[in-house]
Parts: sequence; structure tokens; C-alpha cells
Amino acid sequence: DTGVSQDPRHKITKRGQNVTFRCDPISEHNRLYWYRQTLGQGPEFLTYFQNEAQLEKSRLLSDRFSAERPKGSFSTLEIQRTEQGDSAMYLCASSPWTGNTEAFFGQGTRLTVV
Amino acid sequence: SQQGEEDPQALSIQEGENATMNCSYKTSINNLQWYRQNSGRGLVHLILIRSNEREKHSGRLRVTLDTSKKSSSLLITASRAADTASYFCATVPIMNRDDKIIFGKGTRLHILP
Repeated sequence: DTGVSQDPRHKITKRGQNVTFRCDPISEHNRLYWYRQTLGQGPEFLTYFQNEAQLEKSRLLSDRFSAERPKGSFSTLEIQRTEQGDSAMYLCASSPWTGNTEAFFGQGTRLTVV
Repeated sequence: SQQGEEDPQALSIQEGENATMNCSYKTSINNLQWYRQNSGRGLVHLILIRSNEREKHSGRLRVTLDTSKKSSSLLITASRAADTASYFCATVPIMNRDDKIIFGKGTRLHILP
């Protein structure tokens, strides 16, 4: 098992373009989280899944953000019509079942909107 | 939203000294976790302490939890240069079926040679 994998590691996009990030969790982990982190801040919760069900989406997220986990395995996070304020590190984490256990993080996708 | 708040925001100590970081939170929790993040990397889980536990050890790490004060502390003994990193506390609240992990803003620890 190679841990949580995120792709791409870096993404530079022009304002207004759509971007999609992928996260492959540790196999058989039911829980999957997405967080956003800006410089000097802690990870900010975006959304999470239990298998293929999206349990919650942060109220801070605009309608431009959408996440899926269609088969309960990998997940994608899409940002439509990107804005400069979307520039951040997007982190994915997985855990075996619930929040009562530790989360394993990927290395993140660093998004720069120019 | 961020529930935990670490204190201090930044800490510089000499190698070999002990480092103490504190975390305060707002709502009742199921457990509290500490993570480390090296610059530009993902987070690494350090230790988890459940709400019915008061203290936990792991190598040079010691974590305490005081649920009456809604606070936790992380002690790193005999610090090393490799301990330079950001440290985050994360809480799992007891709120219906809401059990997502919520992070604080972190303490940036710098170990001086």
C-alpha cells in the first residue's frame, strides 16, 4: 500500500478555467476528506465522504466547487471558473472508518491561479 | 470552520530543550489528535487521545487532555532539528453524526542548532 495519492502535485491555471484534482485513498478506507490550506493556516475542511456518500459540504464552499466519489474509491474535486482566491494547497486524507481514527494525508495539490 | 486554536502561534527553542504547545477548543469532543506538517508537505498523524483519556505518550511526545477546560497540550522532549515543523491539533466533535476532523491554525516550531 503506497498511502494516499494525489494528482497532480502542482497545477497552474488561468483565472476562469476549470480544474480537477484526483485523490486515491488507501485501499479499503471508507472515509475520505478534502481540505484546503493557505500559507500559514491550518487545513480548512471542505467536504467528506463515507464510501460514495458525501456527508457534508462546507458552507464556505461556493457552488463552483464540487466533489465526487462515484464508486467509493478514488475521489475528484473540481473547481469551475477559478479565481485567484482559489490559490491554495488542496489536501486529501482517508481513514479506515470514521473520524474516531487517525487520518492519512496525501502530499497535496498546489493550485496557483494566475 | 476551525475549532481548535493552538498557542503559541510560533515557537523557537534551542535543540535539546523541551517544546510545549497548547490547544483550546470549543465544543465537546470524541477525540483530539495532533499532526505534524513539514513545509510544503502533507500532514502526518502523531497521536490520538480519546475524551476519556487524560494523558498519552509516544516516544518523545506527551499529550494531555483536560475536557473540563477544553484544552490539550503537546510536549516534545529533548527537541531535535528534525522536529522543526508546524504542529496542528485536530478535534472530532460530538455533534449528532458529525464526526469530521477539524484542524486548528497550528504552531510553527523552529529548533535552533
